[in-house]
Order: sequence, then structure tokens, then C-alpha cells
Amino acid sequence: ETGVTQTPRHLVMGMTNKKSLKCEQHLGHNAMYWYKQSAKKPLELMFVYSLEERVENNSVPSRFSPECPNSSHLFLHLHTLQPEDSALYLCASSQDPPPNRDTQYFGPGTRLTVL
Amino acid sequence: ELKVEQNPLFLSMQEGKNYTIYCNYSTTSDRLYWYRQDPGKSLESLFVLLSNGAVKQEGRLMASLDTKARLSTLHITAAVHDLSATYFCAVGMDSNYQLIWGAGTKLIIKP
Repeated sequence: ETGVTQTPRHLVMGMTNKKSLKCEQHLGHNAMYWYKQSAKKPLELMFVYSLEERVENNSVPSRFSPECPNSSHLFLHLHTLQPEDSALYLCASSQDPPPNRDTQYFGPGTRLTVL
Repeated sequence: ELKVEQNPLFLSMQEGKNYTIYCNYSTTSDRLYWYRQDPGKSLESLFVLLSNGAVKQEGRLMASLDTKARLSTLHITAAVHDLSATYFCAVGMDSNYQLIWGAGTKLIIKP
């Protein structure tokens, strides 16, 4: 595997379910990010991890819970989501943590549908 | 609060034509990025612009940055169908962890 990978690629869940999204980066980077991409809206930063420590939480509802067990892996745990949480969830990584001028490299995303 | 505006949001053009996408931002910034996203795919980095007057070119795409005007442009020369995609600009500040993203420009190039 190369670059940034995400699983699953598609997820359909009910509002009472608990699920997790997984991201893995194979680039040796030190920072990882979760973004939400909704139709007709700009990309929204959710969480930033630098060397496994969370450095930014962008007022995200507690039904989203991130976890970064090591610098290569990032999870987003989901529980009791709402239909408006349906979106494309993108993971990204960069060599150095922000603030920096590094390019962020994105995974393919998980298309989440909440019924 | 940093705001980023792209225009146009939608552009349909013929192959062989030239066009420019604009990215305006509201406060000072030290870095600006252009990304491309194909339908159903992730974002691919195109350019990083770090200083006033920076110009970068890759194939038929050229990006420039004017920090005084708070404006970046992405110019497409002699467009080809393969350039059809959504193009995003993203702007960052030293004091902030975030990149602020534009809404994207959906570009359709017709044969």
C-alpha cells in the first residue's frame, strides 16, 4: 500500500449504530487530519493530530470521537449520528504538524450515509 | 476570520480554450494550495504557493499568487477533456492550524 488509505470506502449506518472509520498513512508523516466534505460546502477540518497528540478539535459534536494510536493510524469512531452527518470523510497527512507549509496528502475518503 | 472565495463555482468550456479560476481570501496568509478532485476520488495536490509573485506551472495549468491583492489564479491553457475535475484552493495562516478551503470550481471541458 502507498500513500493514504481509508476503510471502508462506503458505509451505511442507522442512527443508533456504532461504527469506526480507519485511516492509515504509509508516508512516514507526523501529522494526520480528519475532514468532512459535504455537498455544496467547503471542506471542513474536524481534527488534527500531531505525533499522536490531538492539537485541534474544531467544535465537532461528541458523537464523533477520534483516536490516534500511533503516527501511522487514525480512527474516527461514530455513534448516534444524525442524517445531516452523511458526507464524505477524508483523512489526510502531512510531514510536519501545523502550523507548517507542508502539503497535505489525502486518502480516497469514506462515503458515509446515515439513515 | 479568514474567508476564501472561489469563482466561478461552475465552468463549462470547449477543448482548446483558455480560462482562469480565481481564489480570493480575506486576511493575510503565508501559504496557498491548489488541489484537484475527480468525481468519487480524493484530493490531489497540484501547487503550493508560498510567496508574493510565486508562479508555478505543470502542463496546461499555471498558478500564481499575489499576496497584496490576496488573490491566486489558476490558469488553464488550451484545455483538454482530462482536465475536467473540481479545483479547490486552500489558504493557511501562521497563527492557525487550519487550512481554509474554497467551495471549489467544477470544471467541465467538452470535446
